[in-house]
Parts: sequence; structure tokens; C-alpha cells
Amino acid sequence: GQSLEQPSEVTAVEGAIVQINCTYQTSGFYGLSWYQQHDGGAPTFLSYNGLDGLEETGRFSSFLSRSDSYGYLLLQELQMKDSASYFCACYQGGKLIFGQGTELSVKP
Amino acid sequence: EPEVTQTPSHQVTQMGQEVILRCVPISNHLYFYWYRQILGQKVEFLVSFYNNEISEKSEIFDDQFSVERPDGSNFTLKIRSTKLEDSAMYFCASNRGQTQYFGPGTRLLVL
Repeated sequence: GQSLEQPSEVTAVEGAIVQINCTYQTSGFYGLSWYQQHDGGAPTFLSYNGLDGLEETGRFSSFLSRSDSYGYLLLQELQMKDSASYFCACYQGGKLIFGQGTELSVKP
Repeated sequence: EPEVTQTPSHQVTQMGQEVILRCVPISNHLYFYWYRQILGQKVEFLVSFYNNEISEKSEIFDDQFSVERPDGSNFTLKIRSTKLEDSAMYFCASNRGQTQYFGPGTRLLVL
């Protein structure tokens, strides 16, 4: 089976940097994705790591270490609008298996 | 930018009734999915669809569920006899590569 573990909630202040970790146990791992979800709206794709290392997209970066079955999402220069739930997800046979989500609260 | 659309946005139904949730995936995408999210919980895979047939389904996707692509654009999820526990947000998604694009969801409430 598949399981992904991530913290249930994180709080940070505007302008700060926050890291959301994700550890996974899967068979047939094809890569780790990150999605953002505001208030039960549509999950929105943020990033994908198919190989080890860091992927950077603007204020957001994502990292993967296959040997450690571990990845993280790094959010820099936090803004109030970044308050949302963040899900790590991995592919298994084409479908996405999601973690439980981390609720990020950004305070002024 | 192309996007996945879903109708209706909200659906209220009585237990035992049939519901059909509709989705229009992005036009040049080949893989289609249905996921659900019970309030406060994670997004759960229901079914994937490729080349006009189900490619994979989860244990949630029992005989009460079915999917169809009745024409070149629509992708539907039917629940034949709804149960209280079917109340959830249902998301359609499509992809062509590593990125899955989700629709805005249909919030289903079974009374």
C-alpha cells in the first residue's frame, strides 16, 4: 500500500520561510507532487519532483530524496494568501495518492 | 488557459436517489479521474479512465458507482443509490503528463 505522512498544521508569519515535510512509503514510486488547496476548493498543482534534488518555482521550492523516502515543500516570503492546505502526493500507476494535508496559517 | 469544469457545483439529494456528476476535462488530455474529499479529510482516489475504459478503481468505487464518457467532451460519475456517507466533495481531474488538473468540484450532500 501507499502512505504519506506530513504535519497536520504549521503556523508562520508574513515574510517568513516555512518548510512542510513529507515522508512516504510506496511501491512503484514515480515521483512526488505538491498541491495547494484553499478552503475545500480545487487542489492546484504546485510542483513535481521525479528525480532527487530541488525544483524551484518562484517563491516555492520542492525537494526530493528518494533514498530517504522524503521530500519537502519550501515556501519563502510568505504572504497571507498562502494560508491554505498543502498536500504531498505520489503517483501509483497513474493515480495520485494524497497525504492528509498540512494546514498552513500565515499570521500578520 | 484551459481548465477542467464540473457541474453542478452543489447537489443535494435524498438517500437512495441516483446522482450524476458531470465533468468536462481539458480537451487534449487523455487520462481522466474522479476523486472525492470528505469534509476535513484528504483527497481520495476513486477511479481512472483511459481510452474509453476504466484503467483503475479504488475499493471505494463499488457497484454503486459508474463512469462514462458519453461523447467527446463529457465525463460523468454516477452514483446509483446514494448513501449518507457519499456526502463529500467530488473532484474530476485530467492530465497528459505528470500534472493533474482538478476541476472546482461538486459538493454532494445526501440527506
